[in-house]
Amino acid sequence: AQTVTQSQPEMSVQEAETVTLSCTYDTSESDYYLFWYKQPPSRQMILVIRQEAYKQQNATENRFSVNFQKAAKSFSLKISDSQLGDAAMYFCAYTNTNAGKSTFGDGTTLTVKP
Amino acid sequence: DADVTQTPRNRITKTGKRIMLECSQTKGHDRMYWYRQDPGLGLRLIYYSFDVKDINKGEISDGYSVSRQAQAKFSLSLESAIPNQTALYFCATSTVGPGYNEQFFGPGTRLTVL
Repeated sequence: AQTVTQSQPEMSVQEAETVTLSCTYDTSESDYYLFWYKQPPSRQMILVIRQEAYKQQNATENRFSVNFQKAAKSFSLKISDSQLGDAAMYFCAYTNTNAGKSTFGDGTTLTVKP
Repeated sequence: DADVTQTPRNRITKTGKRIMLECSQTKGHDRMYWYRQDPGLGLRLIYYSFDVKDINKGEISDGYSVSRQAQAKFSLSLESAIPNQTALYFCATSTVGPGYNEQFFGPGTRLTVL
């Protein structure tokens, strides 16, 4: 079974600074997707960024980027120029393309200090 | 209007009661999922369905049942609610294809079993 591990239950960052959230996963599959979702206090789950395993280039969405290390099975999220609105719980997720199911990590709570 | 809706948004019930959580989507996706979120444990898959005639158990299906009434509707039932089923429940949809595979979430249902 696939597992997703987020080793940082809580992180904090100063406004305008950069923070990196860690995620590792375990799989024997070669075709899969990785995601970061954000859950603000409103509890709505919001997609932040996606990475296809077959793509070597790291995904980027504005201030959000990932460091995808396929051999190491590592998928970290970097948030640049942190804003107060970035404060939320962040979940790393793995999706097996063939099985169509997702496995989520336990989340990292990010606090942004003004 | 929201693409994935859940009713009710909040519910308080008593031990032993039967309760149904409903999910509807206008995204036209074939795949629908029910997750449970407990504090510190991320999202865990209860049931999932890839079409109206395809229902599959997830990792924590005991005590739950589902019904896929139509492509757009997927309901979760607790036949006899117990206090440890107190949690936040999410419905999600997805589709497959290059660049897709992410999950689109409803707003969640906060369920409290007394």
